[in-house]
Amino acid sequence: KAGVTQTPRYLIKTRGQQVTLSCSPISGHRSVSWYQQTPGQGLQFLFEYFSETQRNKGNFPGRFSGRQFSNSRSEMNVSTLELGDSALYLCASSRTISGNTIYFGEGSWLTVV
Amino acid sequence: KQEVTQIPAALSVPEGENLVLNCSFTDSAIYNLQWFRQDPGKGLTSLLLIQSSQREQTSGRLNASLDKSSGRSTLYIAASQPGDSATYLCAVRQGGSEKLVFGKGMKLTVNP
Repeated sequence: KAGVTQTPRYLIKTRGQQVTLSCSPISGHRSVSWYQQTPGQGLQFLFEYFSETQRNKGNFPGRFSGRQFSNSRSEMNVSTLELGDSALYLCASSRTISGNTIYFGEGSWLTVV
Repeated sequence: KQEVTQIPAALSVPEGENLVLNCSFTDSAIYNLQWFRQDPGKGLTSLLLIQSSQREQTSGRLNASLDKSSGRSTLYIAASQPGDSATYLCAVRQGGSEKLVFGKGMKLTVNP
C-alpha cells in the first residue's frame, strides 16, 4: 500500500516568488494536514482539510494557503516567499481527523535564497 | 492553549539500556496522543497511538502509557539499539478544535 507522497522533494526559490507543493494521501484517507518544520520552531501546524473543507488553520500569514481536491489530494501554496519560509514542509494523512493514526510523507525541502 | 513539552531535549545512552521518554501536556481534554520517530532529513514515522480512553499501547520493544488526568505520557523502549537513534516526538489531538499539537522532540543517541 503506497504511503503519503509529496512532490517535489527538493526545491530552491528566490525571494518574492511563489511555490506550490503537492501531497497525495494514502488511499482511503480523507484528512490531509500540513506542517512546517524548522530547527528553531520545531513542527508547526499549517492547516488541515477533510473532504475538501478546511477544518483547522494554524497561525501563519495569509501568504500560506491550501486546498484539497475531490480525490483527497492536496496542495499548499506560499506566495511572496521570504527567507524565513525555508523549511521542511510535511504532509500527513489519516482516515478521519480525530480518531486515527496519522501518517507522514517524506516532506518537501524548500530553500528560499 | 495546549502546550506539549518533552524533557530532556537530548539523551545519549549505551546500547542495551531500557529507556523512558517523557511527554507532558497542559490541557487534558484530548482525543488521543501519538508517538513518532523522525530520522534526519526524513518525515515522521508513527510508533504508537493511544486513545484518551486507553492507558497504554504496546508494539514490540515499545510501550507507551497515558495518564490523561496528570497530563503525562511515557514511551518505554526496552533493550535500546543503535538503530533506535532518532528524534522522538509526541503529539496530542486536542479536544474540540481537533488540532494536533506537537512537542519539540527528544533526540536520542544509542551508542554501540
